[in-house]
Amino acid sequence: DAGVIQSPRHEVTEMGQEVTLRCKPISGHDYLFWYRQTMMRGLELLIYFNNNVPIDDSGMPEDRFSAKMPNASFSTLKIQPSEPRDSAVYFCASSLIGPLNNEQFFGPGTRLTVL
Amino acid sequence: QQQVKQSPQSLIVQKGGISIINCAYENTAFDYFPWYQQFPGKGPALLIAIRPDVSEKKEGRFTISFNKSAKQFSLHIMDSQPGDSATYFCAASGYALNFGKGTSLLVTP
Repeated sequence: DAGVIQSPRHEVTEMGQEVTLRCKPISGHDYLFWYRQTMMRGLELLIYFNNNVPIDDSGMPEDRFSAKMPNASFSTLKIQPSEPRDSAVYFCASSLIGPLNNEQFFGPGTRLTVL
Repeated sequence: QQQVKQSPQSLIVQKGGISIINCAYENTAFDYFPWYQQFPGKGPALLIAIRPDVSEKKEGRFTISFNKSAKQFSLHIMDSQPGDSATYFCAASGYALNFGKGTSLLVTP
């Protein structure tokens, strides 16, 4: 398996532009998580899905952020409009959670820079 | 509100020494306590994990010690190597992981 795939790996955009980050989870995994990582705040959970349904989006910082999971193999995180304080590394992770396993597999991340 | 507190923020250890990183959590409903390792430019990867029904788990040079009554757990890296230099995150969860802020470990030759 190729692991969790994220695209793009790097994104540089200007303030006010729409940004879409993409994630392909590991096949067969039923949980998908979006995290944001910054030096100041560390790794923050933004939202997670179970079987394509959003379960907890309390970590989404503002209405400018939205996430979708139209099917089991694809998810997007959209920021519209983007702001310089959104600059961070965004990680997607997937998991097959069971009684003996909670391991999350992380993608390589998307480094977002908003100018 | 930080549900998992991690210390120290950074750590320098000589090759062959013991690296110790500590974490404390608040929510007694948490039932899974992993440690993740992250190298620059990469996503975090699971290193070792423990559930609250045991007090210690060892995998090679890596050991988790767990104190349920104190709501604390720690990672011990024995015989630390330069290749262990990375950022280490503790976490606690039911389903979603609550991460500590990370410890940057540097193992000097």
